[in-house]
Amino acid sequence: GAVVSQHPSRVICKSGTSVKIECRSLDFQATTMFWYRQFPKQSLMLMATSNEGSKATYEQGVEKDKFLINHASLTLSTLTVTSAHPEDSSFYICSAREGQPNTGELFFGEGSRLTVL
Amino acid sequence: AQKVTQAQTEISVVEKEDVTLDCVYETRDTTYYLFWYKQPPSGELVFLIRRNSFDEQNEISGRYSWNFQKSTSSFNFTITASQVVDSAVYFCALSEARYGNKLVFGAGTILRVKS
Repeated sequence: GAVVSQHPSRVICKSGTSVKIECRSLDFQATTMFWYRQFPKQSLMLMATSNEGSKATYEQGVEKDKFLINHASLTLSTLTVTSAHPEDSSFYICSAREGQPNTGELFFGEGSRLTVL
Repeated sequence: AQKVTQAQTEISVVEKEDVTLDCVYETRDTTYYLFWYKQPPSGELVFLIRRNSFDEQNEISGRYSWNFQKSTSSFNFTITASQVVDSAVYFCALSEARYGNKLVFGAGTILRVKS
């Protein structure tokens, strides 16, 4: 079946550095990918919708300059947390849609746990 | 307005008990999808079911069953004869055609199954 892979699964970085997380659809093309954030013991909150070849659509309250999203190909979207701070520590999960925008199945990556020291 | 409500924050049961996780949703779309996901301690999301708004048939898959009732805007999930491995956080989610089918998650229900 379709698989979505995230890398790295865990990353620890120092405050002020930037971290890039990759989300790949391994056996299908995904024109749309979604990035979610999950704080400990909380639900998943949609951060942005990543569209191949165009700018991402950010949810209200999400800083575009802080969380840079690039969807350069049909199989890869990247999330870059710029100038990371401890409050950015979280579990980031991507998902990719296979097939049609309204009916295609959604597959989730394994998640990437970011810890900012 | 909260679109997906999982009123049960945490449920504890003893192995072999049946348990029902509640999910109430809110939408003005006529076309929408409802989902259940399992998130074990390792963190990855495990897809359990997707149901579209035009299919109100209940579904059974092994020990899992789902009761979709549009009249009460509910999509409840029952685990029969629970096992310790069922311990996880369970999320109900909604996607609406008018919002590009992006998923909105409920707050989640922590299920603890004790041996």
